[in-house]
Amino acid sequence: GNSVTQMEGPVTLSEEAFLTINCTYTATGYPSLFWYVQYPGEGLQLLLKATKADDKGSNKGFEATYRKETTSFHLEKGSVQVSDSAVYFCALSAGSGGGADGLTFGKGTHLIIQP
Amino acid sequence: SAVISQKPSRDICQRGTSLTIQCQVDSQVTMMFWYRQQPGQSLTLIATANQGSEATYESGFVIDKFPISRPNLTFSTLTVSNMSPEDSSIYLCSVRTTGSYEQYFGPGTRLTVT
Repeated sequence: GNSVTQMEGPVTLSEEAFLTINCTYTATGYPSLFWYVQYPGEGLQLLLKATKADDKGSNKGFEATYRKETTSFHLEKGSVQVSDSAVYFCALSAGSGGGADGLTFGKGTHLIIQP
Repeated sequence: SAVISQKPSRDICQRGTSLTIQCQVDSQVTMMFWYRQQPGQSLTLIATANQGSEATYESGFVIDKFPISRPNLTFSTLTVSNMSPEDSSIYLCSVRTTGSYEQYFGPGTRLTVT
């Protein structure tokens, strides 16, 4: 079956540090890949996506590249801010766009940014 | 992106009772899904809510425990039946439109069973 493995936290960094949160997946076919973010006290928000190999998703300074050869979708940001403190979830959808598949989530990574 | 609302936002229920959660979208969407997020855990897909037909359940979830309705393209309900403390979770609905890869989530319903 489909699965997502991501580094578990908490991950604690200082402001302006470089961030990498690792995510690898197992899936049949050609999944779409996503990063979601859950800020304290808020709902789940889509951060970025990539729908085919070598695609790079980006938003709010965050980036992730769909690497089919390593089945990975690592999240990166060059300089984190205190406001980036949140829980980050890597997820995949095994169906093609518009298909009937729900999302398979990783366990989430709690990121703490210290001033 | 679609605007999704859920009712109630939170509830405290006694074991053995049932609770129905509503999900309303501000536009017609193709797919609607229900997820569960247990305390400190990730999200797990419960089922896909199909318009006008029975929901499609994931392994480990059954219709008797989690009956779902979807009478039209903008509305769905999830009932948590015969509740026990293990059902204490956040329940979220999500939506996806035709041809779109993105899935958007409602604010969730925080359920506590005592």
